[in-house]
Amino acid sequence: EVHLLESGGGLVQPGGSLRLSCAASGFTFSRYAMTWVRQAPGKGLEWVSGITGTDDGTDYAAYADSVKGRFTTSRDNAKNTLYLQMSSLRAEDTAIYYCVNAWTGHWGQGTLVTVSS
Amino acid sequence: QSALTQPRSVSGSPGQSVTISCTGTSGNVGRYKYVSWYQHHPGKAPKLLIYDATERPSGVPDRFSAFKSGNTASLAISGLQPDDEAHYYCCSYAGSPTWVFGGGTMLTVL
Repeated sequence: EVHLLESGGGLVQPGGSLRLSCAASGFTFSRYAMTWVRQAPGKGLEWVSGITGTDDGTDYAAYADSVKGRFTTSRDNAKNTLYLQMSSLRAEDTAIYYCVNAWTGHWGQGTLVTVSS
Repeated sequence: QSALTQPRSVSGSPGQSVTISCTGTSGNVGRYKYVSWYQHHPGKAPKLLIYDATERPSGVPDRFSAFKSGNTASLAISGLQPDDEAHYYCCSYAGSPTWVFGGGTMLTVL
């Protein structure tokens, strides 16, 4: 059974940093591109970032314009873990962040990030 | 990276049918068959209803169906039930490793 478990959310001040983790199990993690999706309060789902699978030993990440230059996605296939390093956080980054395998349609339960002073 | 276009809301009575549209561009919906639909109840993780534009995962009732033509995908729900009341999102692959979501449609079962 596929499981995706996010962690690392919390309250952070504007301009601060936070690193989210997503522990994956139940599938061959390294083969799949993975995705971060967020939902701000009262808003819809927003694609944040994606990273390719690393079958050939390399990976590539892409970002939404709203987070480009501030967020970095990486993966550790040995640990079956996806990361989202968030810096220069803004109030508008407040959201539930989901780890998603968009190819299989599996989502984690999400972790809440609140950016506030 | 513009979002796919969905109606903000649709409604129907129990037993009736509704259709939700999702309009993208030739760079996403029109280019790839990888369109998915999700049902999202508040406080829960989104649930996959449709993948590859028309395919239903096991366990999803055949009341849910979908099709795609050109830059537009559509989700049809027949035999509406109270538990169908939720937000529905379309999602399209847009080239590795990017995806784009629709703005979401709130379905109200009257």
